[in-house]
Parts: sequence; structure tokens; C-alpha cells
Amino acid sequence: EIVLTQSPGTLSLSPGERATLSCRASQSVSSSYLAWYQQKPGQAPRLLIYGASSRATGIPDRFSGSGSGTDFTLIISRLEPEDFAVYYCQQYGSSPVWTFGQGTKVEIK
Amino acid sequence: EVQLLESGGGLVQPGGSLRLSCAASGITFTSYAMSWVRQAPGKGLEWVSSISASGGSTFYAESVKGRFTISRDNSRNTLYMQMNSLRAEDTAVYYCAKGEGSSPVRRPFDYWGQGTLVTVSS
Repeated sequence: EIVLTQSPGTLSLSPGERATLSCRASQSVSSSYLAWYQQKPGQAPRLLIYGASSRATGIPDRFSGSGSGTDFTLIISRLEPEDFAVYYCQQYGSSPVWTFGQGTKVEIK
Repeated sequence: EVQLLESGGGLVQPGGSLRLSCAASGITFTSYAMSWVRQAPGKGLEWVSSISASGGSTFYAESVKGRFTISRDNSRNTLYMQMNSLRAEDTAVYYCAKGEGSSPVRRPFDYWGQGTLVTVSS
């Protein structure tokens, strides 16, 4: 089973700043089958990025994903107030097991 | 608009059973794989189970294999999860999630319901 490790655990930033989130896999994620989700308190997760770098429907272009193999990154170019949330990466390349990282919390500094 | 509405959660004693439902609207339900993902209180996301659009293929996490059964009724646009032999560690919010295609394999989850809370406690 592929284990995903996200860092940092918590990111304290101000609105307007750039956020860089990391997701490292214990084995190579085939064909970049890596997704990112955003979850706000009391809400369901929302798909942001799939295929490591493709934005899901309706996702603003301040969100971007990159990476391949074992190292992936989510960048939020300029944080808006609504972007403060928990972010999870997920690999879906080694189906039929889908695994998530433990999450990175982006909080207001 | 895609809507996924879970129901059936509640308090159950260890060893008990519960059946969750997820009613889908705004999609051609018969065209999409569906999944269940859970989140224990204050914890991260854990994939539980997936089913193909036809219902012919099912997949389970090791932690629930042999205890949980995923199914769907395409005539009712509804996904189910029968949960037996429940344990305290099954306590979580259970989300249903839609896949991008007819097979869940190598697909992310593009829409999620709001979840239903299952509490296993005596």
C-alpha cells in the first residue's frame, strides 16, 4: 500500500501570501494519479486537482498542482480568506486501494 | 446540480449493524462508480469501499472487508453500505462520493455528500 506523507502539518500564513503544500509517496504514483482535496470545518471534501496538475471544474486558477513519481506539490498563489482549510492529497493509481495523506491545515497567521 | 444525500447514521452498540444510504440526484447515476469514505472525529480521510456503475465490481479496505457490504440500486439512484459487526473504531462521519467514470479504478472522487455520523458505543 502506498503511504502518503504531507508536510507541513500546519501552515500559518496571511491572506495574499503564497502557500506551498507537499505530498510525498512511499512508492511511485503511477501516471500521476494524484489528487488534492480541500475540506473546510463541518463540510465535505472538495476536489481541487486531479492527475497531479489538472484543476477540477470551477476551481480558481490560483490553485495549481505539480509533481510526478513520489513528490507532489499544491500551490495556492495568493491566499484568499476562503482558502483557509485542511488540504488532503490522495493517490488513486494503485487502485483498488485509494489512500489519503494525513492532511495539511492552512491557518490564518 | 449534483446532490448526494447520506442517511442512516446513528448510535449503535459494538457488534451491532447499520445500513447507510446515499441518494443521488443531478447525475445519470447508472453511469458512475460510487464510493464510501469515512473520517473519524478530528482525523483524516479513509477510503472504505467502492462499487462500479453496474454494481458488478466491488472493492473494500482491509479494515472493513468481511464486515461491510457495498451495493447500489440503480432504479432508485441510491448507494448503500451494510455495516455489520461494528467496532468502536468504525465511529466516523461516512461520506458517499461519486467517481468520474463507470469504473472506480484509477479515478478520483469528484463530488461528495455532506456525510452521516456513525457512533459505535455501549
